[in-house]
Amino acid sequence: GESVGLHLPTLSVQEGDNSIINCAYSNSASDYFIWYKQESGKGPQFIIDIRSNMDKRQGQRVTVLLNKTVKHLSLQIAATQPGDSAVYFCAENPSLGGTSYGKLTFGQGTILTVHP
Amino acid sequence: EPEVTQTPSHQVTQMGQEVILRCVPISNHLYFYWYRQILGQKVEFLVSFYNNEISEKSEIFDDQFSVERPDGSNFTLKIRSTKLEDSAMYFCASSETEYQETQYFGPGTRLLVL
Repeated sequence: GESVGLHLPTLSVQEGDNSIINCAYSNSASDYFIWYKQESGKGPQFIIDIRSNMDKRQGQRVTVLLNKTVKHLSLQIAATQPGDSAVYFCAENPSLGGTSYGKLTFGQGTILTVHP
Repeated sequence: EPEVTQTPSHQVTQMGQEVILRCVPISNHLYFYWYRQILGQKVEFLVSFYNNEISEKSEIFDDQFSVERPDGSNFTLKIRSTKLEDSAMYFCASSETEYQETQYFGPGTRLLVL
């Protein structure tokens, strides 16, 4: 049958607010995680990554939190700006013990809309 | 800042025709990837390539697909006989190493098969 697009989760915030985008990953063997930002018509843009030996990592205005117990990843954006409006994807990379060293598995994405 | 580039940005083709999508990875990167994204859906892994060989491929990457590094800078994806369901954005990515290393994506080629 005809495939249909996913209905992506959406998050709307006001400029200046903090945003939290969540992601549940599937593979308990994954030990490297990346957040990508994708603007309309463009390729995924790297934001921040984290390895499984860490619980938290901070970048410029962004923080990634990893909870391996419940296989949950979150991206926090501080002082969100209109230019942050995009689709945000988490991606996971299976572990060294596996065979998929470079293959990234992407989540479904979250649409972030920032209102001025 | 170095970036991955892709050509063409858009490609329209008839079903059954061959297409070649081109990518220039970041110059010091050794690992190359193709992903695709059907409109409104997730980004999906197609294939990884290192040292002139396929490292891994997904079940999507069937006999109609092939990849090549014809020279020191280009990395290509060929679809021999396109199908309607091949319509998607195709992204090239590259990384310095394979394991736990950031993959940098190009802007994509939008392929439309009629």
